[in-house]
Amino acid sequence: ETGVTQTPRHLVMGMTNKKSLKCEQHLGHNAMYWYKQSAKKPLELMFVYSLEERVENNSVPSRFSPECPNSSHLFLHLHTLQPEDSALYLCASSRGLHADTQYFGPGTRLTVL
Amino acid sequence: RKEVEQDPGPFNVPEGATVAFNCTYSNSASQSFFWYRQDCRKEPKLLMSVYSSGNEDGRFTAQLNRASQYISLLIRDSKLSDSATYLCVLYRDDYKLSFGAGTTVTVRA
Repeated sequence: ETGVTQTPRHLVMGMTNKKSLKCEQHLGHNAMYWYKQSAKKPLELMFVYSLEERVENNSVPSRFSPECPNSSHLFLHLHTLQPEDSALYLCASSRGLHADTQYFGPGTRLTVL
Repeated sequence: RKEVEQDPGPFNVPEGATVAFNCTYSNSASQSFFWYRQDCRKEPKLLMSVYSSGNEDGRFTAQLNRASQYISLLIRDSKLSDSATYLCVLYRDDYKLSFGAGTTVTVRA
C-alpha cells in the first residue's frame, strides 16, 4: 500500500542536529496532518493543513516547524530537539478537512540522543 | 477526564475464542466513531466505522451505546492475525479525531 508514504522510516539525531521528515500522499486528498505517538499514549495531533494552509497548530514547541508546499507534500522540520521528543511521527491525509476518515503513512520512528 | 478511554489490556485469548472490549468517551456531541487497528511498530489502519447503533463486518462487530457513551468491539473466532492494538477513535465537531491509547489483543495458538 503506497497511499501515504513517509521518509525516513527511522531517524536518530542529536539534540543539536537539524533534520526534516517528509510525507507524500498519492490519494488526491486536500488535508494533511502530523501526529506524534509516544509509547502507550494516544496519538497527539500536532499540525493540520488544508489546501496548503495551516489550520491548526496544537501548542507544539517551535522546535517543530511544518511546511506544506502543495497538497501532496508535507514536511516536518526538526531542530534542537529534546530526548522526550523521541516518538513515532505519523503523517495522515483525508479527502478534505471535514472528512472523518484519515489514512496514515507508515511513520518515522525518531530517536533523539 | 480523558476524551477517549480504553482498557489497555492485554487481552490474551486462544485461537477461535471471542474477545470483546469497550471504549468510553466524554463528548456526548460526537457523531462518528471508528475502530482502527495498529500492528506493532506500524501505522493505524481503519478497521470499522460506527455511525449509528452498530456495524458488523465479518467476524468483527462494533456497537455504539450513546446513552452510556461507550463503543464496543467484538471479535469472533479469533485468528492469530488479529493480534494487534485496537484504537478507539471519535470524530469531533471541530474536524479533529480523538484517539484512545489502544487495547492490546494477543491471540495465541
